[in-house]
Amino acid sequence: QVQLQESGPGLVKPSQTLSLTCTVSGGSINSGDFYWSWIRQPPGKGLEWIGYIFHSGSTYYNPSLKSRITISLDTSKNQFSLNLTSVTAADTALYYCARSGYSLAYWFDPWGQGTRVTVSS
Amino acid sequence: EIVLTQSPGTLSLSPGERATLSCRASQSGSSTYLAWYQHRPGQAPRLLIYGASNRATGISDRFSGSVSGTDFTLIISRLEPEDFAVYYCQQYGSLPWTFGQGTKVEIK
Repeated sequence: QVQLQESGPGLVKPSQTLSLTCTVSGGSINSGDFYWSWIRQPPGKGLEWIGYIFHSGSTYYNPSLKSRITISLDTSKNQFSLNLTSVTAADTALYYCARSGYSLAYWFDPWGQGTRVTVSS
Repeated sequence: EIVLTQSPGTLSLSPGERATLSCRASQSGSSTYLAWYQHRPGQAPRLLIYGASNRATGISDRFSGSVSGTDFTLIISRLEPEDFAVYYCQQYGSLPWTFGQGTKVEIK
């Protein structure tokens, strides 16, 4: 069964770039028509979908973050990554990666355990 | 963007009671393209329901989902101790995919 695991620095300084990686195990990131997403949860708040990358490499980013986001794929490592530029305290959150299916099966399953990122000097 | 409004914000119930959670979509584009998740502290969110009313693999039949127009409902028929958590709805019928703000089901 497919499992996802996030990794990355827990602390990022304001104005810098937040970089996270999601490692996929139990299946190839390149097989099947899956969408690979990033989702975040700021402290005390709800879930916010950040964006996805399709196995072909095409992407869609949430317009609320679009100007600062890049999601990329590394099929050789079975990973996908998130870069978020010019971070502020508002980007402090628990970041999750998750998989969605195809043909309108766009619910998220499975999810990673999440990685906490704090933006602070 | 489709906005999902969940109510109530908090539901205080006792084990064994029935929980009724609501999720209202701002537009009709979400049709039946709605999922429900359970989120316990320190754990990854878990898919409960997809397609508004289909239980995910391994999910107890105590959980059921329904839809009427733009109003979606999640019912937990008899609350077990492990059911006390936060529940989110998510629409995937229209980009950007969006979540509701969550309903916390707490022990009364």
